[in-house]
Amino acid sequence: EPEVTQTPSHQVTQMGQEVILRCVPISNHLYFYWYRQILGQKVEFLVSFYNNEISEKSEIFDDQFSVERPDGSNFTLKIRSTKLEDSAMYFCASSGGWGGDEQFFGPGTRLTVL
Amino acid sequence: GESVGLHLPTLSVQEGDNSIINCAYSNSASDYFIWYKQESGKGPQFIIDIRSNMDKRQGQRVTVLLNKTVKHLSLQIAATQPGDSAVYFCAEKVGFQKLVFGTGTRLLVSP
Repeated sequence: EPEVTQTPSHQVTQMGQEVILRCVPISNHLYFYWYRQILGQKVEFLVSFYNNEISEKSEIFDDQFSVERPDGSNFTLKIRSTKLEDSAMYFCASSGGWGGDEQFFGPGTRLTVL
Repeated sequence: GESVGLHLPTLSVQEGDNSIINCAYSNSASDYFIWYKQESGKGPQFIIDIRSNMDKRQGQRVTVLLNKTVKHLSLQIAATQPGDSAVYFCAEKVGFQKLVFGTGTRLLVSP
């Protein structure tokens, strides 16, 4: 069964450093997403991506964040100058069709900012 | 505004019982709702979804009920098993693709 994969599973970084979280969405999917979940809190939408551009983003997704699909299989989230409050689980998701289609989530990357 | 909330943070049941997890949503324009299951250390796993033109949908051992009048969503799990122990989130689609998640209900199943 196809699945979304994410690397690394755990990333530890120093405050102010840049991190890149990687995702491989399901191969025939067209829509890609990043969500985050701060420990003990609910999952929050960050951004959606389609046709090589951002289609929607939340207020959390400020200039510190960027996304990229550098090739035909990877989807990345870059966080510049990390802050302590960026510590969270970051989930990548993908879906096949337009609006309402099931979003399949990856296992997440736990980001710890020290 | 956008908010999806759950009434019960923890639900404890005995194996074999039926479980009901509830969710309230606030965006009356939402037309698509999903229940996800999240086990410890894993990403949300799709359970079942429902569109706003339906009030009930059944899957394998699970049923989702949607009451648009009171903006309420519920997940029923029949014959709950220990493997059902997890945190359950409801989510609503707001806009084209964004999912707004509720706060989660932890289901604990005792043998």
